[in-house]
Amino acid sequence: AQSVTQPDIHITVSEGASLELRCNYSYGATPYLFWYVQSPGQGLQLLLKYFSGDTLVQGIKGFEAEFKRSQSSFNLRKPSVHWSDAAEYFCAVGDSGNTPLVFGKGTRLSVIA
Amino acid sequence: DTEVTQTPKHLVMGMTNKKSLKCEQHMGHRAMYWYKQKAKKPPELMFVYSYEKLSINESVPSRFSPECPNSSLLNLHLHALQPEDSALYLCASSPRSRGVPYNEQFFGPGTRLTVL
Repeated sequence: AQSVTQPDIHITVSEGASLELRCNYSYGATPYLFWYVQSPGQGLQLLLKYFSGDTLVQGIKGFEAEFKRSQSSFNLRKPSVHWSDAAEYFCAVGDSGNTPLVFGKGTRLSVIA
Repeated sequence: DTEVTQTPKHLVMGMTNKKSLKCEQHMGHRAMYWYKQKAKKPPELMFVYSYEKLSINESVPSRFSPECPNSSLLNLHLHALQPEDSALYLCASSPRSRGVPYNEQFFGPGTRLTVL
């Protein structure tokens, strides 16, 4: 069965600093990987996705993620965090079949001045 | 139109009430989903409709009754809910169709439900 682990429950970063949110997955075949962001009381917004090809994917709002098959990881990065990036971030894994997305437990990002 | 809309934004209901949540998308997606999300938790899948047919029911209590009248609309009928059903209810859609090998989901803003 697929699973996703986000090891960090809560991360605090200074505005302007770089950010890396970790995501590890367990899946037998090639996974389809997603990062979603959720602001308080809002729905989930897709930041980026990986299906195949270039392992470094660019997303919206200046985010990028790198797929590393050898480490079963899909970490999210941003070179300079803005206060508006404070939110909950979910990593998710899917496949090419009919199984639903599996979400990680989420990482809450706080941004301080 | 590239969004999923949900109404109402907020709903307060008593345990004996009957209410419905509505979700709509006009992106031509043929899969639609209901999720329940408690505070500080990831979304929990409730139901999946594929081509207007219920394809997944994640052992949801019968007090939640989904309906997909057409390819753009998804409803969730609520009856005799319990206070522990208070949560954010999210709708999503995906372009999943026969032969399309991915499962990217687009989420609505959610309905904040409070059961008294």
